[in-house]
Amino acid sequence: EIVLTQSPVTLSLSPGERATLSCRASQSVSSYLAWYQHKPGQAPRLLISDASNRATGIPARFSGSGSGTDFTLTISNLEPEDFAVYYCQQRSNWPPTYTFGQGTKVEIK
Amino acid sequence: QVQLQESGPGLVKASETLSLTCLVSAGSITSYYWSWIRQPPGKRLEWIGYMYYTGISNYNPSLKSRVTMSVDTSKNQFSLRLRSVTAADTAVYYCARGLIIFGVIDAFDSWGQGTMVTVSS
Repeated sequence: EIVLTQSPVTLSLSPGERATLSCRASQSVSSYLAWYQHKPGQAPRLLISDASNRATGIPARFSGSGSGTDFTLTISNLEPEDFAVYYCQQRSNWPPTYTFGQGTKVEIK
Repeated sequence: QVQLQESGPGLVKASETLSLTCLVSAGSITSYYWSWIRQPPGKRLEWIGYMYYTGISNYNPSLKSRVTMSVDTSKNQFSLRLRSVTAADTAVYYCARGLIIFGVIDAFDSWGQGTMVTVSS
């Protein structure tokens, strides 16, 4: 099973700052990596698929990059509504299975 | 915009079967793959499996022996059954829609809000 490790566990930032979140895979996942935003009591929200493709309706301040084992989610200019937990998720090859990282909490400093 | 809503008992006794349903609104259930994902308290999200309305399914190998998923097109809903539950199955259970890229689900683009299921002894 491919293990995803996210860092840092918690990121304390102020609105307007830049957030850089990391996700590292225990083996190559090519570009089969997605990012989600999750707020308490709400449905998780897909932000990025295929490592760098923004999902429908996702603001341009969210961007994803990376391939192989190292991936980054960048939020360029934190808005108040961006403070949440972020998860990465990978898809392995056939038959497809899916695992998630442990999450990074972006909190208000 | 599609909406998903989970429903089912919040408390299940150990050794019994957990049964959940996900109602799909504002979208056809025959056009997508559908998944269940769970998150035990304090742990990471865990993919349980996915299913297509034709019966095509794929389950997490760690749960495969206990899981059955089904789709009811007449009610536009899909279901999860997890047999022989233990305390380790206590979790928030989410239903989700699969996003197909290059012919395979690569991500999950719509989720329900989740339902907490506690397994009691």
